[in-house]
Amino acid sequence: SQQGEEDPQALSIQEGENATMNCSYKTSINNLQWYRQNSGRGLVHLILIRSNEREKHSGRLRVTLDTSKKSSSLLITASRAADTASYFCATPFGNQAGTALIFGKGTTLSVSS
Amino acid sequence: EADIYQTPRYLVIGTGKKITLECSQTMGHDKMYWYQQDPGMELHLIHYSYGVNSTEKGDLSSESTVSRIRTEHFPLTLESARPSHTSQYLCASRLAGPYNEQFFGPGTRLTVL
Repeated sequence: SQQGEEDPQALSIQEGENATMNCSYKTSINNLQWYRQNSGRGLVHLILIRSNEREKHSGRLRVTLDTSKKSSSLLITASRAADTASYFCATPFGNQAGTALIFGKGTTLSVSS
Repeated sequence: EADIYQTPRYLVIGTGKKITLECSQTMGHDKMYWYQQDPGMELHLIHYSYGVNSTEKGDLSSESTVSRIRTEHFPLTLESARPSHTSQYLCASRLAGPYNEQFFGPGTRLTVL
């Protein structure tokens, strides 16, 4: 079963607008990660937030984490056409030795110029 | 660019054939993973490895098998391919430790006729 669920499933915005994607998860975690996937390609890591952090920034990206609500959000500010991609949240699965990442269903973002 | 490679990138084969999808990484990562992803859908973890001679099944049942004889190499094999195996297969790796990102290969898109 999937650990994370992103919302919305799809988002269409104009260049320059902000895009917000949300992720909910089910079990306790020690970190949550966000990845981007361009059409038909592998995933690229964007940002990792630890369970003791509430907010983290990286360039135009801002991630928040609320462990009490088991939710996270990814904000992309001043979106560009090149931000068009699918965005996935990922949480750890398995024991410490073999921890893998389980991915949500993703949010497909379309940014038009 | 991550140093993780997958071959072939595209494969079209007939039902009943045995196939091996190759995955290699030059980063010295102990942890390696295989995910299956249908177009526009979520990633499903099908296999992972802690290190040499260790393999585990993921959260999605798969008829494929894997081996890990060398640190850098994590091939996936289908003994008898079927149309239901048509999908994209993504390989990933990471360093040990709970706060390390996963690096993904470009994927192999498999079509079984």
